[in-house]
Amino acid sequence: NAGVTQTPKFQVLKTGQSMTLQCAQDMNHNSMYWYRQDPGMGLRLIYYSASEGTTDKGEVPNGYNVSRLNKREFSLRLESAAPSQTSVYFCASSEMRRGADTQYFGPGTRLTVL
Amino acid sequence: QKEVEQDPGPLSVPEGAIVSLNCTYSNSAFQYFMWYRQYSRKGPELLMYTYSSGNKEDGRFTAQVDKSSKYISLFIRDSQPSDSATYLCAMSGRDDKIIFGKGTRLHILP
Repeated sequence: NAGVTQTPKFQVLKTGQSMTLQCAQDMNHNSMYWYRQDPGMGLRLIYYSASEGTTDKGEVPNGYNVSRLNKREFSLRLESAAPSQTSVYFCASSEMRRGADTQYFGPGTRLTVL
Repeated sequence: QKEVEQDPGPLSVPEGAIVSLNCTYSNSAFQYFMWYRQYSRKGPELLMYTYSSGNKEDGRFTAQVDKSSKYISLFIRDSQPSDSATYLCAMSGRDDKIIFGKGTRLHILP
């Protein structure tokens, strides 16, 4: 099992460009999450999907959109990138959307917006 | 007051020492408490999970929760250089919202 995979690993964008971060999990998990991690800020939830077909905003959703393509895949789109979106982005999955459930994280995507 | 507070470190200790990592929190509704370990340029991975108050031991790691003081700890015995990482506390309550601490960077010196 690969667990949670993310593509790309690194990306450099210019302000105003768009891109989609891809995430897939092979653990048959129902819930999937997108976080960003910034120095001094910790992990902050951008969007989550409790189950296939549903998505909800997290703590910092502005400037992002998501798509739960199927049970395995959850993508994050930046429509018009801004320097403030320079960050490391992590996708995670868990069996259920419960606080007690273990979240399994991907390796991250390092995004720089110039 | 922030919901979860964690000293960012860095914390440097010699190999073999006992390490104590801590978080405080303000929300008395939290009942699930977790510690994640994150190696450099990797995603976090769950290390320990406890429910409510008390201690839980797993090998060299002990997680401790004191709900009356709103304080959780992770102890690492016989620390190894491979324990060098960032440790994030995380907690949640009935609303399933997980709050992460900002992480403490730990360096174990050979």
